[in-house]
Amino acid sequence: DQQVKQNSPSLSVQEGRISILNCDYTNSMFDYFLWYKKYPAEGPTFLISISSIKDKNEDGRFTVFLNKSAKHLSLHIVPSQPGDSAVYFCAASVNQGAQKLVFGQGTRLTINP
Amino acid sequence: GAVVSQHPSRVICKSGTSVKIECRSLDFQATTMFWYRQFPKQSLMLMATSNEGSKATYEQGVEKDKFLINHASLTLSTLTVTSAHPEDSSFYICSAKRGGSPEQFFGPGTRLTVL
Repeated sequence: DQQVKQNSPSLSVQEGRISILNCDYTNSMFDYFLWYKKYPAEGPTFLISISSIKDKNEDGRFTVFLNKSAKHLSLHIVPSQPGDSAVYFCAASVNQGAQKLVFGQGTRLTINP
Repeated sequence: GAVVSQHPSRVICKSGTSVKIECRSLDFQATTMFWYRQFPKQSLMLMATSNEGSKATYEQGVEKDKFLINHASLTLSTLTVTSAHPEDSSFYICSAKRGGSPEQFFGPGTRLTVL
């Protein structure tokens, strides 16, 4: 049972344009969501997070939107840069106890010059 | 802040030997550390959760006698793969979390190859 789903395995975007990465979840108990960026043979790097009490969080070029009714979140990167090319994972957590993260399958983003 | 190191970054061993991987939080005290495994082109699979001074909690299907976890201090956790076999070859990643916040900070990972 895949509780966190990233249905697009890959995405290609032109440099300077907006990249939109999507994520869906099924567990309504999740109340905290995170996005990570990962390069091959490296650990994930934390990008941005959002609590379920908010519907938007912005940090520089990165904005995360949360639609609780649709159980959907998205990460917007604008403007996209070549260094943004990586695999992006969304993750969800129940904000109590061990606060374990459940990861999606990842989306490989390629920024074309 | 929030830097996590992992050592070694790469290890090759013979089948039947044991391998220890260290995970350290360098600039913060980690209330909880996690161990993940990632297969090629797949997501991160949580293996176990460890809290300092207590036994690790293993996810379903993870053999606790094969993957020994020790969380000796608030900055160090170790994963020992005992009697390693080729099917244990994988990319192992640790993460650490400060108290109260769900954000986990990941180490760079360890590539284990068992011959």
